[in-house]
Amino acid sequence: QITLKESGPTLVKPTQTLTLTCTFSGFSLRTSAVGVGWIRQPPGKALEWLALIYWNDDKRYSPSLKSRLTITKDTFKNQVVLTMTNMDPVDTATYYCAHTYCGGDCYFDYWGQGTLVTVSS
Amino acid sequence: SYELTQPPSVSVSPGQTARITCSGDALPKNYAYWYQQKSGQAPVLVIYEDTKRPSGIPERFSGSSSGTMATLTISGAQVEDEADYYCYSTDSSVYHRVFGGGTQLTVL
Repeated sequence: QITLKESGPTLVKPTQTLTLTCTFSGFSLRTSAVGVGWIRQPPGKALEWLALIYWNDDKRYSPSLKSRLTITKDTFKNQVVLTMTNMDPVDTATYYCAHTYCGGDCYFDYWGQGTLVTVSS
Repeated sequence: SYELTQPPSVSVSPGQTARITCSGDALPKNYAYWYQQKSGQAPVLVIYEDTKRPSGIPERFSGSSSGTMATLTISGAQVEDEADYYCYSTDSSVYHRVFGGGTQLTVL
C-alpha cells in the first residue's frame, strides 16, 4: 500500500525559504520507473505542477519557478524534500506530494493529503 | 509556457452524459490524464494514458483524445460525481508537466 505524507511549516514569512518533506511508504526510490513530485493549489484555484524527481535522480522543474525550487531525495529515509526560496503571499497554497509511475509515460497515481502553507508577515 | 485549456464549468442533470474537454497543442503527441478532486480532498486519478481507467474507478468514466483535444466523458453522471476535474499532460519538450485550469462539474 502506497502512502505519502507532507510535513513542514504551516506559516512562513515573506522572503523566507520554505522546506517541505514528503515521507512515503509502500515503494522505494531505488526502484526504476518511480518518482515523486510536488504540486500546489492556492485556495480556490487550480493545481500547479512544481517539480519531479525520479529514481535515477533526474529532476524536472516548472519553468516559471525553476529559479526558486530545489528537489532532493533521501532513498534510505524514504523522503523527498522540496525547498522554495523567497516566499511571497501568492505562494500561499496547499502543497501535495505524489507518487509517479513511469510506464510508457509518467503520471501521478497516489497523492498525499496535502499541507496548507500560509505566507504572511 | 505551455497551457491546457478547460471550460470553467459544466452542468448536467443526474443520469445525463457529462463531457469535459481539454485542449493543448502537444496533445497529439502526449497522453492526457484526468484527476477528480472533491471539496477538501486530494485529487484522484480517474483516467490515464488518454483512455485507461484505474481499478476502482466506475465504468461510467471514460476518456478519449483526438488531435489537440482530450475529452473526459461521464456517462450517466451521478450526484457523487460533482467535483473539480483537471487534465494533465506534458509539453512538447516532454520535459515539463502541466495541469489544466480545472472544470467544475455540477450534477443537479
